[in-house]
Parts: sequence; structure tokens; C-alpha cells
Amino acid sequence: DAGVIQSPRHEVTEMGQEVTLRCKPISGHNSLFWYRQTMMRGLELLIYFNNNVPIDDSGMPEDRFSAKMPNASFSTLKIQPSEPRDSAVYFCASNPGQGNSPLHFGNGTRLTVT
Amino acid sequence: GQQVMQIPQYQHVQEGEDFTTYCNSSTTLSNIQWYKQRPGGHPVFLIQLVKSGEVKKQKRLTFQFGEAKKNSSLHITATQTTDVGTYFCAVSGSARQLTFGSGTQLTVLP
Repeated sequence: DAGVIQSPRHEVTEMGQEVTLRCKPISGHNSLFWYRQTMMRGLELLIYFNNNVPIDDSGMPEDRFSAKMPNASFSTLKIQPSEPRDSAVYFCASNPGQGNSPLHFGNGTRLTVT
Repeated sequence: GQQVMQIPQYQHVQEGEDFTTYCNSSTTLSNIQWYKQRPGGHPVFLIQLVKSGEVKKQKRLTFQFGEAKKNSSLHITATQTTDVGTYFCAVSGSARQLTFGSGTQLTVLP
């Protein structure tokens, strides 16, 4: 089991550019979560998918953020246009989607927007 | 969604001393999970508590769930440098999404 795989590990971009973060959940996991971590706000849930369908996107900061899950093995989080305040570590996590199963986190993408 | 308060925010201890972090909710929780994040790493699941008054142990770590299911604690006995990291509690919302506490960052001084 390779675990949750995220790419890239690090992303440095200029303000105004589009950023796409990628995630491959653990095979067989039905639920996928995107979290953002900053010193000021801690771990914030951005969006949550179950069986590829967005269930709760109330944590998405604004229209500049969008997330998709075209199939069970792939999800993207896109920021367009990016701003310096988007700088954070973005984690993807998955779980089997049953009951209150623990989350398995990827290694995260550290995003820096200059 | 569910919210949980976690204290303290930071804790510095000498190696060998004990450490405790607490999570408190104003509402009754169905369950609570605990995670550990090493510096530069990602959160890793430690344990889940479900029953009122439940106590679980993992070596030097003791996890408790309050009788009213509104609070929980993680206690580490005789800390070691390998215990360094941030410890988070997390609670489930109505749609099974997990909301994380603010975390307690533990520093162990050798």
C-alpha cells in the first residue's frame, strides 16, 4: 500500500498564476478530504468527497478555489488566480468512508505564492 | 460544524517529565480521534475513543474520554525526544467530516 500520494511536494509560484495540486487516495477508500494547514488557522477542512461526489465544500475559501474528483483514484485542487495569502501546506487525506474511519494523510504540498 | 478547544497550545518539558493535552467541546461528541504530526510531517492517526469514560493505552500514551463525552485527554508518561511533535484531537461532524483542534505542540528538552 503506497498510501495517499500528493504532488508536487513543493510549489513556488507568483501571485496571479494558476496552481494545481494533485492527490491519489488509497485504493478502495471512498472518501477524500482536502485540508489546508497554516500557523494562524491550523488544519482547516476545505472540501470532502464521498464516492467522487463533493459532500461538503463549505470550507473552500472563495471562488478562486475549486476541487474535482473525476474518478475514484484522482483528485485535484486548483487555485486560480493564486494570492500570497494562499501560502500554506495543503494535505489530502482518504478513508474507507465507513463510520468514523481514521484519516490517512498524504505528505502534503507546501505552496508558496510570492 | 463541530468545534473543539484544545489546550495548551505549546508545552515544553524536560525529557522524562509527563505531558498532558486536553480537548473540550460544548456539545456531546459521538467519538474523538487523536493524531500526531512530527515536525515537517503529516498527521498520523493514533487512536479513536467512542465510549463514555473510555481509557486506552499505547505504551506510554494514555487516552481518556470523559464520562459526558465532552472532553478528552492524552497523557504521555516519561516523555522521550521521539515524542516531539504536535498532537491534535479531531471530532466528527454530521456529514462524517473531521474537524481538528488547534493542536498542542510538544517540545522535549534533552
